[in-house]
Amino acid sequence: EVHLLESGGGLVQPGGSLRLSCAASGFTFSIYAMTWVRQAPGRGLEWISEIGGIDGDTFYADSVKGRFTISRDNSKNTLYLQMDSLRAEDTAVYYCAQRGGTVATGKGRFDSWGQGTLVIVSP
Amino acid sequence: QSVLTQPPSVSAAPGQKVTISCSGSSSNIGNNYVSWYQQLPGTAPKLLIYDNNKRPSGIPDRFSGSRSGTSATLDITGLQTGDEAVYSCGTRDSSLSAWVFGGGTKLTVL
Repeated sequence: EVHLLESGGGLVQPGGSLRLSCAASGFTFSIYAMTWVRQAPGRGLEWISEIGGIDGDTFYADSVKGRFTISRDNSKNTLYLQMDSLRAEDTAVYYCAQRGGTVATGKGRFDSWGQGTLVIVSP
Repeated sequence: QSVLTQPPSVSAAPGQKVTISCSGSSSNIGNNYVSWYQQLPGTAPKLLIYDNNKRPSGIPDRFSGSRSGTSATLDITGLQTGDEAVYSCGTRDSSLSAWVFGGGTKLTVL
């Protein structure tokens, strides 16, 4: 059974930094693309970043490009999100998700999700 | 403002059928496959439908999906009180090179 467990959320001041982690188990972590999706209070889901499995290519939403960095350690089955220059609008629950399907064929989905970790950016 | 458009809420009685719509454009739904997610109160999203109309193992056939042109729909038949949740559609947007979601539709089973 796939299991994803996020950690590292908390309260941070505007302009500050946080590093989120996502520990994965129950599947061959290294071959899957992994993503971070966030959900602001009372709002819809927002994809923010993805990292390829084998190639490790990274992709970002415009809203976080240049401020957030996604990475992974396949030897530890762990996904990371380094968040710098945080803003109030970054306040959200952050989910890591296993991304299935193939972008080239137009097929893609988020197969499994962690329980989320809450990030609050406030003075 | 979400790239995909969903109604904020729908409601129906137990045992009835409900349809949730998801509207997009040629750069997303029109040329990519749609998935649907169920988010029960206080929990993480869960994959319900993928590739427009396929169900992951364990998802009952009361849930079905379809796509036509630049829109997609999720049908839920035989509604149960346990189906009360927020349902979100998602797909790839080829122009944005990003994954996009709808704003979510809250289902109330009266």
